[in-house]
Amino acid sequence: AQTVTQSQPEMSVQEAETVTLSCTYDTSESDYYLFWYKQPPSRQMILVIRQEAYKQQNATENRFSVNFQKAAKSFSLKISDSQLGDAAMYFCAYLAGTASKLTFGTGTRLQVTL
Amino acid sequence: GAVVSQHPSWVICKSGTSVKIECRSLDFQATTMFWYRQFPKQSLMLMATSNEGSKATYEQGVEKDKFLINHASLTLSTLTVTSAHPEDSSFYICSARALQGSYNSPLHFGNGTRLTVT
Repeated sequence: AQTVTQSQPEMSVQEAETVTLSCTYDTSESDYYLFWYKQPPSRQMILVIRQEAYKQQNATENRFSVNFQKAAKSFSLKISDSQLGDAAMYFCAYLAGTASKLTFGTGTRLQVTL
Repeated sequence: GAVVSQHPSWVICKSGTSVKIECRSLDFQATTMFWYRQFPKQSLMLMATSNEGSKATYEQGVEKDKFLINHASLTLSTLTVTSAHPEDSSFYICSARALQGSYNSPLHFGNGTRLTVT
């Protein structure tokens, strides 16, 4: 079974600084997709970034980028120039075609301080 | 675009009653909808996968007779919590995959429903 592990229950970053959230996963699949979702206090799930396993290039979306290490099964999220609005729960998620359903990690609560 | 509306956003019901939660895709057709449950400060746990016109597929440990899922059209899926008990109190979230999307298409999430059973 696929598992997604986020080892950091909470993280804190100062405004304008950079923070990296960790995620590891376990799978025997070769074709899969990885996602980072943000859940602010409103509880709305917002897609932050997505990575296709077959792509070697790390995905980037404005201030958000990932470090995808396929051999190590690691998928970390880097947030640059952190803003107060980045404060939220961040969930790493995995999707493989054989199951067609998202498996979420346990989440990391990110605090952004002034 | 790609808006998923979930209703109600919160509901309080008495133990033993049933509650229906609706999940609608407003501007797209969804072949597949997913229902998740989220306890406080925990992750989203998939309860079931709902495909239009067919029976839902439930995850291991989820009682299908307690959590009735109906996906009668390409824009509507419902979750009915039958004979609710206080332990069913939780946050329920639906998500939808567009008709023209492949299995890896992004999911669109509803805003969730907070259920409190007294």
